[in-house]
Amino acid sequence: SQTIHQWPATLVQPVGSPLSLECTVEGTSNPNLYWYRQAAGRGLQLLFYSVGIGQISSEVPQNLSASRPQDRQFILSSKKLLLSDSGFYLCAWGGTYSSYNEQFFGPGTRLTVL
Amino acid sequence: AQKITQTQPGMFVQEKEAVTLDCTYDTSDPSYGLFWYKQPSSGEMIFLIYQGSYDQQNATEGRYSLNFQKARKSANLVISASQLGDSAMYFCAMRPVNSGNTPLVFGKGTRLSVIA
Repeated sequence: SQTIHQWPATLVQPVGSPLSLECTVEGTSNPNLYWYRQAAGRGLQLLFYSVGIGQISSEVPQNLSASRPQDRQFILSSKKLLLSDSGFYLCAWGGTYSSYNEQFFGPGTRLTVL
Repeated sequence: AQKITQTQPGMFVQEKEAVTLDCTYDTSDPSYGLFWYKQPSSGEMIFLIYQGSYDQQNATEGRYSLNFQKARKSANLVISASQLGDSAMYFCAMRPVNSGNTPLVFGKGTRLSVIA
């Protein structure tokens, strides 16, 4: 069966510090991978998605970036965090393996920027 | 472009009663899929139910059913016999059917509170 992992689970960082969030998927190959951000009590905002190694589509131009160094690894980064980067970051995977081509989400990372 | 609208920020329902969560959508794609997810306080996103735009019947999955009205572009989620564990955020989402790579577009969600 497929599983998706995210770490860290929680993170408190000062403004201006760098960021690296990692997402890995097990039990599938060549998944589509997605990064979403959710502000407190709000909906999901798509940040990046990837259909293959090294292929990244950016939905929101800001101080965040994403990379996919391996087939089942998706990394979200920032060189300098802003207060507005606080939120709940969700990684998801999707593909043709599921009945409805739905997306499966990881447990999320709760980021607080102080 | 696709758009999902969930007009109910919050809903209350008595335990064991049924509740309907509203979702309307807008798309120019001829074939699309509609999804509902549940997000408990833990934050995980749980896939609940799917409706294809050309499905002849409304989708059902246990206590969840989807009231799909294509002409009105609505895909409301019905939860029967509500339980305390149903208290959560609920998100409606969609994407074109023949575009498996396209990310889901989500609504802003509805917070459901089940009262004992």
